[in-house]
Amino acid sequence: ETGVTQTPRHLVMGMTNKKSLKCEQHLGHNAMYWYKQSAKKPLELMFVYNFKEQTENNSVPSRFSPECPNSSHLFLHLHTLQPEDSALYLCASSQLSVGTGELFFGEGSRLTVL
Amino acid sequence: TQLLKQSPQFLSIQEGENLTVYCNSSSVFSSLQWYRQEPGEGPVLLVTVVTGGEVKKLKRLTFQFGDARKDSSLHITAAQPGDTGLYLCAGENQAGTALIFGKGTTLSVSS
Repeated sequence: ETGVTQTPRHLVMGMTNKKSLKCEQHLGHNAMYWYKQSAKKPLELMFVYNFKEQTENNSVPSRFSPECPNSSHLFLHLHTLQPEDSALYLCASSQLSVGTGELFFGEGSRLTVL
Repeated sequence: TQLLKQSPQFLSIQEGENLTVYCNSSSVFSSLQWYRQEPGEGPVLLVTVVTGGEVKKLKRLTFQFGDARKDSSLHITAAQPGDTGLYLCAGENQAGTALIFGKGTTLSVSS
């Protein structure tokens, strides 16, 4: 496989469920990101990881819990979500965590919270 | 707070027409990037502009970075249905750790 792969592509969960989103990059990059894309809002940066270390948490509620076991894998653990958390969650990677670097995005995980 | 404002929000045109979309900010950016996102996919980088006043061309797409590095524009000549998508501009956040995005312009080109 090449590029950035996200699973699952679609997820429906109740507010009391616990689920996880998975992201894997095959590009040899050192930085990985989670973004949230909602209707009528800009892409919102959630978390940044550099060399497996979290370098940014953009005031994300604790019901979202990221995990980065190595430079190729990134998870987003979800629990006790709210309906307003329904969105497209995009994972991205870049060579380094620098602004001028190109971000490579996965196709996203479409989350619906009932 | 850094903000990137994109206009128009929606644009629906006929094949063969020309169009321009804008990305504006009150903040100075060291560079700006343009991405295109098609339905069911993640955004894909089109271009990065770095120097104030810079113009870059990608086939029928022309990108310009404002002299003051606060704004950018994307001009498409003779639009085609394949140009349909969400066009996003992005710039480096103040911490220099990631990109922030505008809301995007949704372009629909019909044949």
